[in-house]
Amino acid sequence: GDSVTQTEGPVTVSESESLIINCTYSATSIAYPNLFWYVRYPGEGLQLLLKVITAGQKGSSRGFEATYNKETTSFHLQKASVQESDSAVYYCALGLYQGGRALIFGTGTTVSVSP
Amino acid sequence: NAGVIQTPRHKVTGKGQEATLWCEPISGHSAVFWYRQTIVQGLEFLTYFRNQAPIDDSGMPKERFSAQMPNQSHSTLKIQSTQPQDSAVYLCASSLDRTANTGQLYFGEGSKLTVL
Repeated sequence: GDSVTQTEGPVTVSESESLIINCTYSATSIAYPNLFWYVRYPGEGLQLLLKVITAGQKGSSRGFEATYNKETTSFHLQKASVQESDSAVYYCALGLYQGGRALIFGTGTTVSVSP
Repeated sequence: NAGVIQTPRHKVTGKGQEATLWCEPISGHSAVFWYRQTIVQGLEFLTYFRNQAPIDDSGMPKERFSAQMPNQSHSTLKIQSTQPQDSAVYLCASSLDRTANTGQLYFGEGSKLTVL
């Protein structure tokens, strides 16, 4: 079936350290799904961080990057130097065209950045 | 431009009671989605409307759950005879129809339902 697996949290990192959240996907109902990272900051609603809809491409936003790797079915999220404001819950998501079920989410990774 | 508005933010019901959750999508958005979030299951898709018509309700539990979109400005999720296992945060999201297929959804802050 279609599913997303991501790094289990919580993840704690110190400010200015690097961060990587692993995400792998399985897409059986569509050959080239769209891939997304959503984020929920404390006290806010879930919001799109970045998306990539073409295999091989890289998306970036707010210093985060993720590359759509079709061969390894991965979409890892990385940031070279985190800030305390990056503390949030990050969700990897798979976008399917057919059937209207727009997004299948991973379980979320809670990231805490300590000063 | 206001975001997706969900009410109530918190609802506590007794077992067997009915709960109705409301969602006001972003003006001009023609696609509306409902998701449910629990610690155990994470974020689960429930149902999806486009131009007020139900498109995919494959995630909805077969019993007790129903969703409607009587007009373009609001959608409701109704749970009859609530059970403790219905306790969750229910998220509503909307999108422009052309972006629904690319998955760019705008979420509300959610309605937290607690069934005692």
